[in-house]
Amino acid sequence: DIMMTQSPLSVAVTPGESASISCRSSKSLLHSNGITYLSWYLQRPEKSPQLLIYQISNLASGVSDRFSGSGSGTDFTLKISKVETEDVGIYYCVQFLEVPFTFGSGTKLEIK
Amino acid sequence: EVQLVESGGGLVKPGSSLKLSCVASGFTFSSYGMHWIRQAPKKGLEWIALIYYDSSNKYYADSVKGRFTISRDNSKNTLYLEMNSLRSEDTAMYYCAKGAGDYWGQGVMVTVSS
Repeated sequence: DIMMTQSPLSVAVTPGESASISCRSSKSLLHSNGITYLSWYLQRPEKSPQLLIYQISNLASGVSDRFSGSGSGTDFTLKISKVETEDVGIYYCVQFLEVPFTFGSGTKLEIK
Repeated sequence: EVQLVESGGGLVKPGSSLKLSCVASGFTFSSYGMHWIRQAPKKGLEWIALIYYDSSNKYYADSVKGRFTISRDNSKNTLYLEMNSLRSEDTAMYYCAKGAGDYWGQGVMVTVSS
């Protein structure tokens, strides 16, 4: 199984500042079709996970452009610019390259 | 508007069975693969099953293989998860999600306890 490792476990950010979350996979997520199947989700308190980013850097519909994704192969980063209180929650990366699909353990974002 | 609505959860005893449903609307259900993903209390997300749009392929996490069965009825726009031999470690919120993971339901709670 592909292991997904996220860091940090938690991050506290002052509103208006930026935050970065790292995700590393135990195997390259690049498919032979040229697509890298790495997505990011935000789970706000007591809510279902919401897709933020798919295929490393594509913004999901309706998601603020304060969110951006980057990386390649096995190393990926989610950046949140100008953090707002509504960004509080747990961020997960996930690989959709092969079954079993696997999630990172999550990064909790809090507001200072 | 895409909607996924799960139902069928509840409190059951270890060893018993339960069948979850997920009714889809707002998109062409028969064109998309569908997932079940669960989240134990205060824990992270665990993918547990995938079914192709035409039911031609089904995949399971090792933790549920042989006990859970994913199925669908495209005429009813409904996804199912039949859960047998339930264990305490199956206690979780169960979510259905559309193929690309772009839409999730609100989740349904399953509690396995004596």
